[in-house]
Amino acid sequence: EVQLVESGGGLVQPGGSLRLSCAASGFTFSSYEMNWVRQAPGKGLEWVSYISSSGSTIYYADSVKGRFTISRDNAKNSLYLQMNSLRAEDTAVYYCARGFAVERFDYWGQGTLVTVSS
Amino acid sequence: DIQMTQSPSTLSASVGDRVTITCRASQSISSWLAWYQQKPGKAPKLLIYKASSLESGVPSRFSGSGSGTEFTLTISSLQPDDFATYYCQQYNSYSRTWTFGQGTKVEIK
Repeated sequence: EVQLVESGGGLVQPGGSLRLSCAASGFTFSSYEMNWVRQAPGKGLEWVSYISSSGSTIYYADSVKGRFTISRDNAKNSLYLQMNSLRAEDTAVYYCARGFAVERFDYWGQGTLVTVSS
Repeated sequence: DIQMTQSPSTLSASVGDRVTITCRASQSISSWLAWYQQKPGKAPKLLIYKASSLESGVPSRFSGSGSGTEFTLTISSLQPDDFATYYCQQYNSYSRTWTFGQGTKVEIK
């Protein structure tokens, strides 16, 4: 069974940093692209970042470019999101999502809440 | 960037109703469109990909159609488990970005 479990969320002050993790199991992690998608409270879904299966190709949404860094450790079956210079508008539930054939997200974690507030 | 516009934003329906949700893209996206269902406090679930392909395990009452700029998600006979919010999502192979529609909430009439 495919499982994605996010961790690392919490309360952080504006301008602060946080590192999210996503532990994957039930599939060959190193064979799949991965993504981070977020959802602000009461709002819709927003794609944040993509990383290829090898980690060699990375994309970001304009809203986080230069502040967030996606990475993965295929030996540890783990995906990461380093978030720096956090803003109030980054407050959201962050989901890791497995990419399939690039264009869709076929499995999602349960999400981890990031709150940016003083 | 390609914008995705869903309509309606909210839909009131009864069990057994046929329900249709529309998603329009600001420019042609061929068939690079997926649909997701999300229930409160839960992660989204993939229903349809490539505009009309049913994800494994998804009930056949769900169907998708369209290409280019206009797409629809149809639920042929609404079931109690289907009351949720539905999102369309496109992949832009040129800009390497993924964009969701704003969502359509299907509520009990």
